[in-house]
Amino acid sequence: EIVLTQSPGTLSLSPGETATLSCRANQSVRSNYLSWYQQKPGQAPRRLIYDGYSRAIGIPDRISGSGSGTDFTLTISRLEPEDFAVYYCQQHGSSPYTFGQGTKLEIK
Amino acid sequence: QVRLVQSGADVEKPGASVKVSCKASGYTFTDYHMHWVRQAPGQGLEWMGWINPKSGGTNYAQKFQGRVTMTRDTSISTAYMELSRLKSDDTAVYYCARLAVPLDYWGQGTLVTVSS
Repeated sequence: EIVLTQSPGTLSLSPGETATLSCRANQSVRSNYLSWYQQKPGQAPRRLIYDGYSRAIGIPDRISGSGSGTDFTLTISRLEPEDFAVYYCQQHGSSPYTFGQGTKLEIK
Repeated sequence: QVRLVQSGADVEKPGASVKVSCKASGYTFTDYHMHWVRQAPGQGLEWMGWINPKSGGTNYAQKFQGRVTMTRDTSISTAYMELSRLKSDDTAVYYCARLAVPLDYWGQGTLVTVSS
């Protein structure tokens, strides 16, 4: 089973700053099948990035994904109030399709 | 538009079973796998498995093998997830989700509470 470790657990930033979230796998993610999701309280998750770097429809270009193999990064530039939420990475290269434990992005 | 509508909240006793439904609309139900993901209160997301609505084939996370059964009824475009031998730590919101790229769709979630 692929274990995904996200860091940091909590990230405190101000609007306008840049957030950098990390997702590290204990083994290579096949074909870079890694997605990033955003979840707000009381809501279902919403995918932002798939295949490591492809932006989902409707996601602004200030949100980007990068990385390959075992190390992946989600970068959110020019933070806006609606960006403060919990973010999860998930791999679907091999079953089970595991999630990371999440990073909470909070307003400083 | 694509919609996934789940059944309502449920309270079950330890040892019992629960069956959550997920009715799909707005697309061809048999064209996409349906995934099930759960989230315990205040915790992260946990992938449980998927069902291929066309064939009925399933892929379950090892953790749930023997306790989970995913089925579907193509005549009414509905997927089901049944979890048996419930324990208190099965208390969670259960989501169905269509996770094919590029667009993901999620149900509204079903709160299952396991309590004596």
